[in-house]
Amino acid sequence: AQSVAQPEDQVNVAEGNPLTVKCTYSVSGNPYLFWYVQYPNRGLQFLLKYITGDNLVKGSYGFEAEFNKSQTSFHLKKPSALVSDSALYFCAVRDLRAYSGGGADGLTFGKGTHLIIQP
Amino acid sequence: AAGVIQSPRHLIKEKRETATLKCYPIPRHDTVYWYQQGPGQDPQFLISFYEKMQSDKGSIPDRFSAQQFSDYHSELNMSSLELGDSALYFCASSPRDRAGETQYFGPGTRLLVL
Repeated sequence: AQSVAQPEDQVNVAEGNPLTVKCTYSVSGNPYLFWYVQYPNRGLQFLLKYITGDNLVKGSYGFEAEFNKSQTSFHLKKPSALVSDSALYFCAVRDLRAYSGGGADGLTFGKGTHLIIQP
Repeated sequence: AAGVIQSPRHLIKEKRETATLKCYPIPRHDTVYWYQQGPGQDPQFLISFYEKMQSDKGSIPDRFSAQQFSDYHSELNMSSLELGDSALYFCASSPRDRAGETQYFGPGTRLLVL
C-alpha cells in the first residue's frame, strides 16, 4: 500500500524568508509525486509533480520541490515567501507498480500542512 | 482556460435521502476521479472512470455508485445518506488514464446531511 506523511501540521514563516514544507512517501514501486494547494472553501490547485528525470522540479508561483529517492522525500520549497502563499498544502503519491498491476489509480494524499506566512 | 465544473456547489439533505452530484471534466479529458474530503481531513479517493468504464475503486461505500456518460461527464449517486457523509466531494479529470497525468480538481460540492 502507498502512503504519504506530512510531519508538520503547521509551518510558520516570515514574509520574505525561504519556506520548506516536508513530505515523505512509501510505495512499492516507482512513485509519481504531486503537490497541491487548497485555499479556504476552494478546490485543490496543482502546483508541481515529479514523474522522472531531474530531481529538482519547478512549478507554479515560484514553488519547487526536490525528489530524494534515498530519503523517500519530496519537500516543497520557495526561496522567498509571500503572505498570499498562506494556505493548506497537500503532498500526494501515485504508485506506478500498483497502476500497472491494475491497482488503485487514485492519488493518496498526506494529511496536509497549514502554511502561515507572517507579514 | 476551462476547468472542471461541479454541480451543485452546495447541497443539504436529510438522513436516508438520496443525492446526485455531477461533474463535467475539462474538454478532451476522458478520465474522471471522485474524492471525498471530510472536515479537517485529506481527500480520500472514491472511484475513477476512463473512457466510460470504471477504472478502479477506493474507499467508496456500497451505498454510493457512479458512472461516466458518453460526453465524459460523471455522476456520483449517493443513497441512504448518513450524517457521516457530510463532506466536500471533489471531482478531478485528466487527459488519459496514465499514472503520470496531472489530475485537475473542480471546486467541489459541499454536502451537508442533517
